[in-house]
Amino acid sequence: NAGVTQTPKFQVLKTGQSMTLQCAQDMNHNSMYWYRQDPGMGLRLIYYSASEGTTDKGEVPNGYNVSRLNKREFSLRLESAAPSQTSVYFCASSVAVLYGYTFGSGTRLTVV
Amino acid sequence: TQLLEQSPQFLSIQEGENLTVYCNSSSVFSSLQWYRQEPGEGPVLLVTVVTGGEVKKLKRLTFQFGDARKDSSLHITAAQPGDTGLYLCAVPYSSASKIIFGSGTRLSIRP
Repeated sequence: NAGVTQTPKFQVLKTGQSMTLQCAQDMNHNSMYWYRQDPGMGLRLIYYSASEGTTDKGEVPNGYNVSRLNKREFSLRLESAAPSQTSVYFCASSVAVLYGYTFGSGTRLTVV
Repeated sequence: TQLLEQSPQFLSIQEGENLTVYCNSSSVFSSLQWYRQEPGEGPVLLVTVVTGGEVKKLKRLTFQFGDARKDSSLHITAAQPGDTGLYLCAVPYSSASKIIFGSGTRLSIRP
């Protein structure tokens, strides 16, 4: 039962470097999401994809780009990492909001 | 300003005690969800409530949706160390294709 798989689990970047966080789900869910979690601020939505072929901005999209590669995969790209992007990033998927999200186990990113 | 206010932010109690945590808003919602997150893991859905006044039970956890669908509570009876974690409430937002989370209540149960 893989569910939602995120890679990598940990990453340290230098300011200005770029990287892509990968997310894949095997539950045939239409919708996929990227959140960041910071102490005291809960989970904040970065981008989401309501269905294959569509992407939309969430609350905090600046500095990020996304690609819905196919129904299974939704990647998050940091083009030029900044220390303010140090956070834990979670990918989630859903068949419908009413049924809730299934989350991956997260990527802990540190930008120095 | 947070759409969802959760209280308390932190709670540390002895094993066997009862507790209640709250999720409040000034907005009306069609449904509300509770998640639990353990260290190093993603949140896991516990329950969805959809009707004003609805009460759902999950073993020792009791969830209630307010009559006006603006708030919710989570009551734990006889807390156990395994209940330790971050409890998050969440609601559908905007076009209802996405969920907004509260900042959570961090619960610690002392043996």
